[in-house]
Amino acid sequence: ETGVTQSPTHLIKTRGQQVTLRCSSQSGHNTVSWYQQALGQGPQFIFQYYREEENGRGNFPPRFSGLQFPNYSSELNVNALELDDSALYLCASSLNREDTQYFGPGTRLTVL
Amino acid sequence: AQSVAQPEDQVNVAEGNPLTVKCTYSVSGNPYLFWYVQYPNRGLQFLLKYITGDNLVKGSYGFEAEFNKSQTSFHLKKPSALVSDSALYFCAVRDIGDFNKFYFGSGTKLNVKP
Repeated sequence: ETGVTQSPTHLIKTRGQQVTLRCSSQSGHNTVSWYQQALGQGPQFIFQYYREEENGRGNFPPRFSGLQFPNYSSELNVNALELDDSALYLCASSLNREDTQYFGPGTRLTVL
Repeated sequence: AQSVAQPEDQVNVAEGNPLTVKCTYSVSGNPYLFWYVQYPNRGLQFLLKYITGDNLVKGSYGFEAEFNKSQTSFHLKKPSALVSDSALYFCAVRDIGDFNKFYFGSGTKLNVKP
């Protein structure tokens, strides 16, 4: 186990709703990255937070937003959910921006 | 842009035989390469990485990977496969020039048969 935890494990929402996913980073890690993994595909980078600031973003629209807290835990917020947002959302923490990323178990989001 | 390719969707191997899962990369500058494994309904587990140094990198669970600069490859290997190695394997490259973003391949499903 990596020590990275995510909640909830599963979530079902309907189109247009908003969702918040949570991640607790491994002890001592100050960097959190979020990924979206659609069925049958590799993870796609959403964004990274380093010391409470967004530090890089992938090709995702602004309705995907995040936060990192002083204890380095993080949230991913998705507004105006679309059917294509259905995926496994993975959080990864690292000791700093350059280090190996360690992944949590993921949150499975289903949008109906 | 950085990218990795995993040319095989699936690899089948008998238990006890050697296994190879292929990965090729395209990067500008020095490559920072990783292998992760994913079991069903689980997150990704780190196996090994290449940053610099020896071309043969040893990792967890008896896995190793060979970095080949001339062929731009980073194939994952294991001398003797176990049934428990059956999982989804991802190769990834880190773009140190772009906020250390990770780019993952599409994954290769490894099936080890008894």
